[in-house]
Amino acid sequence: EVQLVESGGGLVQPGGSLRLSCAASGFTVSSNYMSWVRQAPGKGLEWVSVIYSGGSTYYADSVKGRFTISRDNSKNTLYLQMNSLRAEDTAVYYCARDDPWGDYFDYWGQGTLVTVSS
Amino acid sequence: QSALTQPASVSGSPGQSITISCTGTSSDVGSYNLVSWYQQHPGKAPKLMIYEVSKRPSGVSNRFSGSKSGNTASLTISGLQAEDEADYYCCSYAGSSTLWVFGGGTKLTVL
Repeated sequence: EVQLVESGGGLVQPGGSLRLSCAASGFTVSSNYMSWVRQAPGKGLEWVSVIYSGGSTYYADSVKGRFTISRDNSKNTLYLQMNSLRAEDTAVYYCARDDPWGDYFDYWGQGTLVTVSS
Repeated sequence: QSALTQPASVSGSPGQSITISCTGTSSDVGSYNLVSWYQQHPGKAPKLMIYEVSKRPSGVSNRFSGSKSGNTASLTISGLQAEDEADYYCCSYAGSSTLWVFGGGTKLTVL
């Protein structure tokens, strides 16, 4: 059974950093495209970043240069390092598995809340 | 402002059919057959309901169907049931620069 469990969210001050983790089971993270999608309180979904099975990474313009997606194959875990956080980064962050061709998101975690506030 | 435009809300009575539209541009919905739809109940993770415009994942009811015409995709739910009450989001591939764009979401109320 495919499972994704996010952790690492919390309250952080503007300008601060946070690292989110997404522990996967039931499949191999390194063999799949993996994405982060966020949802600000009461708002819609926003794609944030993807890491391809080959290691290429891509980011939404809103986080480019501040966020870094990575994975640890030995731990079968996906990460999102978030630096220079802003109030507008406040959201629930979901990790999601892309289908084998990267055409849609077939499994999602339950999300972890990141609050950026002083 | 979301990249794809959805109605904020739709409603229907049990047994009826509803359609949710998702309007994009020639750079996303109009260029790729990579539109997907997600259902989200309050406080829960999104769930894939439709992919590649009109395909249903295993386990999703055949009451859910998708289509696309030009720059607009649509999700139709027939035989509405109380459990269908949720938020629905469309998503489209938007090319190698932007990658993925979502709609703002539509709240479905089953009267």
